[in-house]
Amino acid sequence: EVQLVESGGGLVQPGRSLRLSCAASGFTFDDYAMHWVRQAPGKGLEWVSGIGWNSGYIGYADSVKGRFTISRDNAKNYLYLEMNSLRGEDTAFYYCGKGQSSVAAAPVDFWGQGILVTVSS
Amino acid sequence: DIQMTQSPSSLSASVGDRLNITCRASQGIRNHLAWFQQKPGKAPKSLIYAVSSLQSGVPSKFSGSGSGTDFTLTISSLQPEDFATYYCQQYQSYPFTFGGGTKVEIK
Repeated sequence: EVQLVESGGGLVQPGRSLRLSCAASGFTFDDYAMHWVRQAPGKGLEWVSGIGWNSGYIGYADSVKGRFTISRDNAKNYLYLEMNSLRGEDTAFYYCGKGQSSVAAAPVDFWGQGILVTVSS
Repeated sequence: DIQMTQSPSSLSASVGDRLNITCRASQGIRNHLAWFQQKPGKAPKSLIYAVSSLQSGVPSKFSGSGSGTDFTLTISSLQPEDFATYYCQQYQSYPFTFGGGTKVEIK
């Protein structure tokens, strides 16, 4: 059974950093691209970042480029999102998503339950 | 960046209705179009990829069509469990982008 479990969320002050983790199980992790998608309270879905199976073909939303860094550890079956210089508008539920294939140009086919990040003083 | 525009943003429908939701891309995206369903307080669920291919376990009452820039999600006979918000997404090129969503409510 595919499982994606996010961790590392919580309350953080503006300007500070936070690292989200996503533990993957139930599939061959290094066969698939992975993504982060977020949703501000009461708003729609926003794709944040994606990474290919071998950490190639990395992309970011314009809203986070230069502040967020996606990475993965295929030996540990973990996906990460390092978030720096956090702003109030980064407040959202963050979802980890499994890509449909190894290539990053493939949609999410399975989602984690999400974790809340709140940026506030 | 490729912009995705969904319409309508919300609609009211009855059980048994046939429903169409449209999604338009600001430029051609070939067949790199997916649809997702989200219920309140829950993670999204993947429904369709490559315009018209159903994800595993998705019932056949859902179907997708279109090409180039114009796409449609159809629900053939709306059931109570289908009342949710639906999103399209292009994955032709980074940054992947979602439509604004269509909230389907009970009439």
